Amino acid sequence: QQQVKQSPQSLIVQKGGISIINCAYENTAFDYFPWYQQFPGKGPALLIAIRPDVSEKKEGRFTISFNKSAKQFSLHIMDSQPGDSATYFCAAGDSGGYQKVTFGIGTKLQVIP
Amino acid sequence: GAVVSQHPSWVICKSGTSVKIECRSLDFQATTMFWYRQFPKQSLMLMATSNEGSKATYEQGVEKDKFLINHASLTLSTLTVTSAHPEDSSFYICSAREASGGRSGANVLTFGAGSRLTVL
Repeated sequence: QQQVKQSPQSLIVQKGGISIINCAYENTAFDYFPWYQQFPGKGPALLIAIRPDVSEKKEGRFTISFNKSAKQFSLHIMDSQPGDSATYFCAAGDSGGYQKVTFGIGTKLQVIP
Repeated sequence: GAVVSQHPSWVICKSGTSVKIECRSLDFQATTMFWYRQFPKQSLMLMATSNEGSKATYEQGVEKDKFLINHASLTLSTLTVTSAHPEDSSFYICSAREASGGRSGANVLTFGAGSRLTVL
């Protein structure tokens, strides 16, 4: 059972455009929603994260939008740059237990000049 | 910020041998570390959760006798792939959560750079 569904799996955006990646979750116990950026051959790096008590969080060119009732959240990358080309993973975790994080399938973003 | 180091970053071994991968938290204490496996162009699949001083908790379908995990101290966890076979070839990534009371939030995980295992 895929607990975190992510789309699209690949995305091509022109430089300066907006990249949008969507995720949906099923487990209502999730209360932590991070996004990770991964470059080839490297481990994931935390990009930005949100908790369900807010509907939006912005850090620089990166914005998370969160819809608790729909159990959906999305990442927007404004003014996308070639250096943003990477694989992005959404994830969801809960504060209980060992605080495991479940990852989405990933979106390979390519920003073309 | 918090740094997690993995070693080795790349290892090639013969079928039937065992390989140990280390995961170290360099500037913080990690009560909990997680081990993931990632196949090419796929997501990270959690293999197990290791807690300092206790046995690791393995995810369903992961052979605990195949993938031995030891969380020897608050800064070191090791994953040993025993009797490795070509199907064990993969990218193994660890992450660590800072002990409570640390600088990071309770759910902030720091990932290592990964270890690529190739079994011939």
